Amino acid sequence: AQTVTQSQPEMSVQEAETVTLSCTYDTSESDYYLFWYKQPPSRQMILVIRQEAYKQQNATENRFSVNFQKAAKSFSLKISDSQLGDAAMYFCAYRSLTSGTYKYIFGTGTRLKVLA
Amino acid sequence: NAGVTQTPKFRILKIGQSMTLQCTQDMNHNYMYWYRQDPGMGLKLIYYSVGAGITDKGEVPNGYNVSRSTTEDFPLRLELAAPSQTSVYFCASSFPRDRGYYEQYFGPGTRLTVT
Repeated sequence: AQTVTQSQPEMSVQEAETVTLSCTYDTSESDYYLFWYKQPPSRQMILVIRQEAYKQQNATENRFSVNFQKAAKSFSLKISDSQLGDAAMYFCAYRSLTSGTYKYIFGTGTRLKVLA
Repeated sequence: NAGVTQTPKFRILKIGQSMTLQCTQDMNHNYMYWYRQDPGMGLKLIYYSVGAGITDKGEVPNGYNVSRSTTEDFPLRLELAAPSQTSVYFCASSFPRDRGYYEQYFGPGTRLTVT
């Protein structure tokens, strides 16, 4: 069974600085999706970025980028120029693309604090 | 589009009571999911559905039931509420691969307290 591990329960970053959140996963599959979701205090889950495993190029979305290392099964999220609004819980998620599979596996989350 | 809507936003139940959490999506998504999120934890899958009339159990289905009579609606039923069901419940939906990138769209959540 697949697992997703986020080993940093909490991280802090100064406003305007860069921070990297770690995520590792375990799978024997070759085709899958990976996601980072943000959950601010409002509790609304918001998609930050997604990565398709067959694409070697790392995904980027404005200030958010990932470092996808397929062989190492690592999927870290880099937030550049951190802003106060980035403070939230961040969840890494895995989605198998095996036929007949519909489930997502979530990590336990990393709480990001942004210091003014 | 309203996206994924959930009602109610908050609810307090007494032990042994029952209730239904409503979830509706207007994006014509095939797949729908119910998760629970306990304090400081990630999401655990309760039930999911790949289309009207088709549902299946997730990691933590005990104490819950679902139905999917339409594409839009996926209600979650709690029977005989217990304190262990105190949690925040999220409904989510997604397209299949050939119509999207598989990301899930989440509702705003329902905070349920059982006392």
